[in-house]
Amino acid sequence: QSALTQPASVSGSPGQSITISCTGTSSDVGGYNYVSWYQQHPGKAPKLMIYDVSNRPSGLSNRFSGSKSGNTASLTISGLQAEDEADYYCSSYTSSTTLVFGGGTKLTVL
Amino acid sequence: EVQLVESGGGLVQPGGSLRLSCAASGFTFSSYWMHWVRQAPGKGLVWVSRIKNDGSSISYVDSVKGRFTISRDNAKNTLYLQMNSLRVEDTAVYYCARAPGGRWFDPWGQGTLVTVSS
Repeated sequence: QSALTQPASVSGSPGQSITISCTGTSSDVGGYNYVSWYQQHPGKAPKLMIYDVSNRPSGLSNRFSGSKSGNTASLTISGLQAEDEADYYCSSYTSSTTLVFGGGTKLTVL
Repeated sequence: EVQLVESGGGLVQPGGSLRLSCAASGFTFSSYWMHWVRQAPGKGLVWVSRIKNDGSSISYVDSVKGRFTISRDNAKNTLYLQMNSLRVEDTAVYYCARAPGGRWFDPWGQGTLVTVSS
């Protein structure tokens, strides 16, 4: 049950696009299309952004998109806005019928 | 409005016990998988446990197996986490979350802080 691997930090300027990666193994990310992404602002509960690799919850901005290739999933945020500055976490279902999160990525909007 | 409200956190000595509760409202609680996720101060999210809508399937992260027990009372729309033999490293904010597909979390409660310290 090792945590998925995410970059510790990414940054971008307003209007730009950024991508956050999430690398696992064939027993989690690579084995299932069950990757989800969460946004967490300081002192707040996490918020679902993407589920099942690339699906957006109803009402969520289409600036957020997800994809997967092999054992690596990605979250892309286009048209960066100041309010996107937050921590982002990926999660995957695993072959052990458990769930696992990534270590988290701090997004800074310059 | 879908709402999850955790309670039961607090300060406990190492080796002690606590029972967390998560009161659900605004949806048919008995239709959904439910999860517990924790976050140590300044650290990332860690999945802890999940339970199927009817309680027939349960999973735990290895670090809490044998010490924590997840359960639910569908008549009371409440999820529980019984935590025994608590360790300093169990100190965290504990969130409950609904799992619409069993494998993603939406929404989350506001969390309850558990502090294990002597």
